[in-house]
Amino acid sequence: GQQVMQIPQYQHVQEGEDFTTYCNSSTTLSNIQWYKQRPGGHPVFLIQLVKSGEVKKQKRLTFQFGEAKKNSSLHITATQTTDVGTYFCAGRAGAQKLVFGQGTRLTINP
Amino acid sequence: NAGVMQNPRHLVRRRGQEARLRCSPMKGHSHVYWYRQLPEEGLKFMVYLQKENIIDESGMPKERFSAEFPKEGPSILRIQQVVRGDSAAYFCASSPSGQHSNQPQHFGDGTRLSIL
Repeated sequence: GQQVMQIPQYQHVQEGEDFTTYCNSSTTLSNIQWYKQRPGGHPVFLIQLVKSGEVKKQKRLTFQFGEAKKNSSLHITATQTTDVGTYFCAGRAGAQKLVFGQGTRLTINP
Repeated sequence: NAGVMQNPRHLVRRRGQEARLRCSPMKGHSHVYWYRQLPEEGLKFMVYLQKENIIDESGMPKERFSAEFPKEGPSILRIQQVVRGDSAAYFCASSPSGQHSNQPQHFGDGTRLSIL
């Protein structure tokens, strides 16, 4: 079945450093969604990418969808302590159900 | 504009007891999803329901677990004869249209289930 893999599993950075998490699918995706879960909280939808090669920005966050629509990345520029949490990608292949990656847990040293 | 409501937030059960987790979707949403999350792990899909129908239960354990979404009232995830391994956070999400659409899923605060 469809698999969505995320790396790294954990990332620890100094405040102000950049952070990137990568998402790879075993199959071509029709769309990919990104969610953020704060410690002790619930996943919150951030953004959705649909088009091949699409790039979207939300302030310091940049989301990319690969040309082949099998991978995606989330890059945070100049991290702040409020960025702490786990970032999940979730992909859908055609008419299949949404499949979540394992998440990347970001911790930040102030 | 209430979001997805889950209760209880925390539930403690002894081994062998039953656990009932409730989820009311966002207003206007008729599609409900249940996920399980073990500590420091990802979200594992369990079941997808519409009103009065189970659409996809491919992630549900074959025994002891059941889910429903009646015509009236919240969706219920029921775990019978709980065991220690059932300890986890259980999240419910809802969307206005089905899991094959492009709609994002809106999550509730989850129920943290602890088995003594």
